[in-house]
Amino acid sequence: EPEVTQTPSHQVTQMGQEVILRCVPISNHLYFYWYRQILGQKVEFLVSFYNNEISEKSEIFDDQFSVERPDGSNFTLKIRSTKLEDSAMYFCATSEGALENQPQHFGDGTRLSIL
Amino acid sequence: AQSVAQPEDQVNVAEGNPLTVKCTYSVSGNPYLFWYVQYPNRGLQFLLKYITGDNLVKGSYGFEAEFNKSQTSFHLKKPSALVSDSALYFCAVRGVTDKLIFGTGTRLQVFP
Repeated sequence: EPEVTQTPSHQVTQMGQEVILRCVPISNHLYFYWYRQILGQKVEFLVSFYNNEISEKSEIFDDQFSVERPDGSNFTLKIRSTKLEDSAMYFCATSEGALENQPQHFGDGTRLSIL
Repeated sequence: AQSVAQPEDQVNVAEGNPLTVKCTYSVSGNPYLFWYVQYPNRGLQFLLKYITGDNLVKGSYGFEAEFNKSQTSFHLKKPSALVSDSALYFCAVRGVTDKLIFGTGTRLQVFP
């Protein structure tokens, strides 16, 4: 079964540094999402992306965050200047269509640790 | 605002017994409801969804969920639990736009 692939699996970064998290969607999927899960807490929506633009973003997704799909395959999440509170699991999810018809498929996540 | 609640942090059940993981929802409009499972160090795996139609929804790995509009509930069930079902289970509702809003999760522990 096709999978959403995320790299790296674990990223350790000094506070204030930039990080880029990468996601390879399932090939025919058109809708892309980032979620995060702080340790011990629930999964939270960050941003949705469709047709090369952001569809919606949460209040967590401030100016330090950005997303893009630079080469038509990888979908990336960039955090420009990381803070301690950015430490979390970040999950990419993709779907073929809208939620009423197609479920979102999740990658295994990137564990981001900010020191 | 759309939301789901999972009232139990943990559910313990003996292998072979039926299991229920509870979820209640609050939505404006028609609810689109989902169950996902998370195994250790893995992402969320889709189990099943309710969009419309039959109140009993069948999903992966023998799981099913019962949609109850009057009780605003969408409980996950399985007739006979396996030790391998032990994992973290998340109920979710579609937001106003196409995003998932998750509950806090319920840890299912199945004992041999």
